[in-house]
Amino acid sequence: GQNIDQPTEMTATEGAIVQINCTYQTSGFNGLFWYQQHAGEAPTFLSYNVLDGLEEKGRFSSFLSRSKGYSYLLLKELQMKDSASYLCALLDSNYQLIWGAGTKLIIKP
Amino acid sequence: DVKVTQSSRYLVKRTGEKVFLECVQDMDHENMFWYRQDPGLGLRLIYFSYDVKMKEKGDIPEGYSVSREKKERFSLILESASTNQTSMYLCASRSGGGETDTQYFGPGTRLTVL
Repeated sequence: GQNIDQPTEMTATEGAIVQINCTYQTSGFNGLFWYQQHAGEAPTFLSYNVLDGLEEKGRFSSFLSRSKGYSYLLLKELQMKDSASYLCALLDSNYQLIWGAGTKLIIKP
Repeated sequence: DVKVTQSSRYLVKRTGEKVFLECVQDMDHENMFWYRQDPGLGLRLIYFSYDVKMKEKGDIPEGYSVSREKKERFSLILESASTNQTSMYLCASRSGGGETDTQYFGPGTRLTVL
């Protein structure tokens, strides 16, 4: 079967760095997505990784290790507007997305 | 910019009522999806469609049906609403050109069934 785990909630301070982890088990893998979802709004795309390594995009970076079934999203120079839920989603062998429950990130001044 | 719109942001219905949730996308995407999102459970796929008049069951299709008569429009139907269908419903679309293309979401409909 398939399973995705990520922490339910994290707290960080404005200006700091935070790493949100995602671990998964799957028999087929075609990539891993990260989405951001502000309260009451739709998820929006942040990143996609299919090969091992780090993908950097401004203040946000995403890392993947396929052998370990592990990904993380790194947010630098945190701003209050980064308070949101961050969703990890696995693209399975049928090219369907399997979603994690999301990590609620709380930013404190 | 891709735009996905949903017919209502908030909806309140009574048990047993028939409910229609409509989704429209303006980017000529082949693939459209209906999810529900509940606290602690993440997004769960109800139905999806790869083309007009085509539909496939997702992980939790029971109690729901869908209709895709036009490429841009994908409707979710609750034949007889029940209280356990109170949830946030999210529609998404994706180009069929590449399997790894991102999904674009509508703003969601928060449905309450009394």
